Amino acid sequence: NAGVTQTPKFQVLKTGQSMTLQCAQDMNHEYMSWYRQDPGMGLRLIHYSVGAGITDQGEVPNGYNVSRSTTEDFPLRLLSAAPSQTSVYFCASSSFRGLNEGEQYFGPGTRLTVT
Amino acid sequence: GQQVMQIPQYQHVQEGEDFTTYCNSSTTLSNIQWYKQRPGGHPVFLIQLVKSGEVKKQKRLTFQFGEAKKNSSLHITATQTTDVGTYFCAGPNDGGSNYKLTFGKGTLLTVNP
Repeated sequence: NAGVTQTPKFQVLKTGQSMTLQCAQDMNHEYMSWYRQDPGMGLRLIHYSVGAGITDQGEVPNGYNVSRSTTEDFPLRLLSAAPSQTSVYFCASSSFRGLNEGEQYFGPGTRLTVT
Repeated sequence: GQQVMQIPQYQHVQEGEDFTTYCNSSTTLSNIQWYKQRPGGHPVFLIQLVKSGEVKKQKRLTFQFGEAKKNSSLHITATQTTDVGTYFCAGPNDGGSNYKLTFGKGTLLTVNP
């Protein structure tokens, strides 16, 4: 049981480039989400999904797209990278059933630098 | 929108001293969660409080949820170097479900051995 995995661990992009951050979970969680973490800002929700085919915006969605074609995967796409998107990105998953309802499991993170 | 504020932003203690971080929400929360993030690591769930006035303990950690369900605290007794990290509280943004959590900015705890 690997939990939540993210790739890559590190990435450097030039302004205007696009890329996809990968996230996968093997816990059959219906809920998945993406956060960005900037110094002194805590964690801010970018997008989330409550099941395959269903996504919605969080607090800071601009410049990012998501899709959820399977329960396991929730990729985050940066359409045209900007220096303001330099951050650490965390994927998280959760179930809203059972004893651990609402507990979020975080992946190890992707450190993205946009130059 | 809802705001979740945490104080203090930083706390440095000598090993063995106690530590408390406070979390205040601008709105009433259905529940509150606490997470710990070690330096260079990812957030790890500690606990979820649901009931008004609830108090839960995990070894040296004591969590409280206020009577009005707008504030919470985490108290660590006799800190150890393993307690180093940033402690975050988080509450649901839309008043009910945890689909959209708002995180506080966290309290960074450092412990001098």
